[in-house]
Amino acid sequence: DAKTTQPPSMDCAEGRAANLPCNHSTISGNEYVYWYRQIHSQGPQYIIHGLKNNETNEMASLIITEDRKSSTLILPHATLRDTAVYYCIVRVGATGNQFYFGTGTSLTVIP
Amino acid sequence: NAGVTQTPKFQVLKTGQSMTLQCAQDMNHNSMYWYRQDPGMGLRLIYYSASEGTTDKGEVPNGYNVSRLNKREFSLRLESAAPSQTSVYFCASPGQGYNEQFFGPGTRLTVL
Repeated sequence: DAKTTQPPSMDCAEGRAANLPCNHSTISGNEYVYWYRQIHSQGPQYIIHGLKNNETNEMASLIITEDRKSSTLILPHATLRDTAVYYCIVRVGATGNQFYFGTGTSLTVIP
Repeated sequence: NAGVTQTPKFQVLKTGQSMTLQCAQDMNHNSMYWYRQDPGMGLRLIYYSASEGTTDKGEVPNGYNVSRLNKREFSLRLESAAPSQTSVYFCASPGQGYNEQFFGPGTRLTVL
């Protein structure tokens, strides 16, 4: 599975959009991009995933570049409860067993 | 429907002691996973089980054994605990299509 690179930390003002970048320049054609977050010391929580098209759900939007070498997770209206560590993961979809979490981006939402 | 449950929530061991961490899921999933998370680090896969009766090594299996006795339960055993095994242990089970993993609340283990 491809490795990912994320900034170690970011701040975002409450109510503004939080844009979290991720580089995955060695991603293979059959590897999906997944985003999880971990609030405080709880177990990680699934947010969204995609292959090459942009995706949106009730939590966030995922923008994947055309060459698939990078992606951005967008939280459209960040709240204080979105303060967490966000992990970008790439892996083979339904057949891939392992998630490699890396160290993620610590997002702090500021009042 | 509790999802994924883990016991105990906290444990302190002395070096050389043994213990078993328990994990159960009530979602009828085939696969289950054990991860560890050290301070300031991401999660690392210890062992996983793709189905009842099968187990495979992950990224950091040394010092651990696992047992998948039935579809619901997946246990992690430390035969001789070492301070390097001080960590938070998470059990997880992926949903249909393996896209979303459901995590338990974690077990915080300290080895003195």
